[in-house]
Amino acid sequence: KQEVTQIPAALSVPEGENLVLNCSFTDSAIYNLQWFRQDPGKGLTSLLLIQSSQREQTSGRLNASLDKSSGRSTLYIAASQPGDSATYLCAGEIQGAQKLVFGQGTRLTINP
Amino acid sequence: DGGITQSPKYLFRKEGQNVTLSCEQNLNHDAMYWYRQDPGQGLRLIYYSQIVNDFQKGDIAEGYSVSREKKESFPLTVTSAQKNPTAFYLCASSAVLSGTDTQYFGPGTRLTVL
Repeated sequence: KQEVTQIPAALSVPEGENLVLNCSFTDSAIYNLQWFRQDPGKGLTSLLLIQSSQREQTSGRLNASLDKSSGRSTLYIAASQPGDSATYLCAGEIQGAQKLVFGQGTRLTINP
Repeated sequence: DGGITQSPKYLFRKEGQNVTLSCEQNLNHDAMYWYRQDPGQGLRLIYYSQIVNDFQKGDIAEGYSVSREKKESFPLTVTSAQKNPTAFYLCASSAVLSGTDTQYFGPGTRLTVL
């Protein structure tokens, strides 16, 4: 059974720092990978989608990469801001499964 | 505005009652999904639908039922057979049933059993 681990579970850093969130899969056969943001009590907002033919995606201050050989993905946030405070979840599609498996999330707090 | 709406935002259920959560999308998406989220945990898939009049069980379908009579609507019924229904329920949609397409999420419904 595919399981997803996100490390750390919670992270608190001062404003302006660059940071990395990690996501790993027990089964490295990940086909596509998405990173989402969730604000408290809200739904999820898609941040980045790495498709099977890609190794990374960038959007503004966010960069996500996927190493299929190891089943690991990282989300890099540059020059963090208080508005980045939220829970970040990764989700991967196992090839052929046509559904996403989610990690438990990293709760990020950016202190002014 | 295009998007996904869920109602109600908060729902309270007495034990033994069935309740139905609404999910509507105007994105013209074929695929729709229902997830359950418990505190500090990731999302778990309840049911999903690839197309109208078709739906499949996810990882935790016991105690839940769905219908997909219209493309834009995918209601979820939490039955009395679901022993621990208190959770945050999220509906999502994507253009097609594939991880190559971004899933778009509604704002969620928080269900509490009294």
